[in-house]
Amino acid sequence: AQRVTQPEKLLSVFKGAPVELKCNYSYSGSPELFWYVQYSRQRLQLLLRHISRESIKGFTADLNKGETSFHLKKPFAQEEDSAMYYCALKKSGTSGSRLTFGEGTQLTVNP
Amino acid sequence: NAGVMQNPRHLVRRRGQEARLRCSPMKGHSHVYWYRQLPEEGLKFMVYLQKENIIDESGMPKERFSAEFPKEGPSILRIQQVVRGDSAAYFCASSLQGNTIYFGEGSWLTVV
Repeated sequence: AQRVTQPEKLLSVFKGAPVELKCNYSYSGSPELFWYVQYSRQRLQLLLRHISRESIKGFTADLNKGETSFHLKKPFAQEEDSAMYYCALKKSGTSGSRLTFGEGTQLTVNP
Repeated sequence: NAGVMQNPRHLVRRRGQEARLRCSPMKGHSHVYWYRQLPEEGLKFMVYLQKENIIDESGMPKERFSAEFPKEGPSILRIQQVVRGDSAAYFCASSLQGNTIYFGEGSWLTVV
């Protein structure tokens, strides 16, 4: 069975500092990985997906199949980045888009 | 496109009552997913539906919970005889086949 692990429940950094939110997964096949962001009591928004290799709001994430990781990085954190971040996995080749989420990391960027 | 619409946004129920949560998917989306977010926890998959069919309900509690997505109208998540442990945010999401899923703003259920 697939699993997503986000080892840090809470992460606090200062404005302008680099930030890395860790995500590890276990899945025997070739997964699709995503990062979702949830601002306070709002809907989850798609931030990144690995197949797009894009950068959104300064965030990037690279899929490392050897380490089964998909860490989210930003070189200079901003206060408005404070939110809950979820890493998610979708099994390849499945119909529909059911996602398995990690437990989430609450990022706080201090002024 | 109004996005995924959920209602009510907030619902308070007494123990033993029924809770009904509604979800209208994005226009053209025929796949609906329900997730539950318990306080201080992450999102847990509950059920995946297509029109008139339950595709995967492996995350649904065996008792008191049911979901439907009729041919016409919204998807409904129904919780019978609610207990305090059902208090959570319930998120609906929709997709077009296997593409990106989009989430609604959630329904916060409080059981008193």
